[in-house]
Amino acid sequence: GDSVTQMEGPVTLSEEAFLTINCTYTATGYPSLFWYVQYPGEGLQLLLKATKADDKGSNKGFEATYRKETTSFHLEKGSVQVSDSAVYFCALTTDSNYQLIWGAGTKLIIKP
Amino acid sequence: EADIYQTPRYLVIGTGKKITLECSQTMGHDKMYWYQQDPGMELHLIHYSYGVNSTEKGDLSSESTVSRIRTEHFPLTLESARPSHTSQYLCASSDAGGPRYEQYFGPGTRLTVT
Repeated sequence: GDSVTQMEGPVTLSEEAFLTINCTYTATGYPSLFWYVQYPGEGLQLLLKATKADDKGSNKGFEATYRKETTSFHLEKGSVQVSDSAVYFCALTTDSNYQLIWGAGTKLIIKP
Repeated sequence: EADIYQTPRYLVIGTGKKITLECSQTMGHDKMYWYQQDPGMELHLIHYSYGVNSTEKGDLSSESTVSRIRTEHFPLTLESARPSHTSQYLCASSDAGGPRYEQYFGPGTRLTVT
């Protein structure tokens, strides 16, 4: 079945470091891919999305490119801030399933 | 901006009590979802609804029940709360006509059963 695998956390970085959080997927058909972010004590917010191969989603300095050949959607940011500390979830949907298929989440800790 | 509301935000309650967690959305979305999540951990789908009078159980078995009498309202009820129900409960909605079923989330209800 469809699934999402993300790198395990926590990921701990210093402020202004480069961030990569890996996400790979298995899906039939042509999924849409999402990154959600959850700040402490809050619900989830959509960070970015891509709906077809080679699309790049971007928001708040974060980027991710839909790579069909490697079935990946890695999240990147050039210079992280303390305020980026949160849990990041990769997810997908397919046309055959309205539900989001979730990765396990990656906790990101940014130290000043 | 998504408009989906959950009340209460925090609830501490004793074992055996009946509780209802409220979720409402003002976007007219036909699909709504309840997730259970230990803070910062994986999300588990416990209930979903694709429209009025339609409810289904999700992947994670739950002793809770839901109803969908109105499009905008999707409450979750625990008839007899237990300490094992202590968790965070997140409500979400989506529109089948929207961008590939993107879900919008409420702020969550953090439930503690003592």
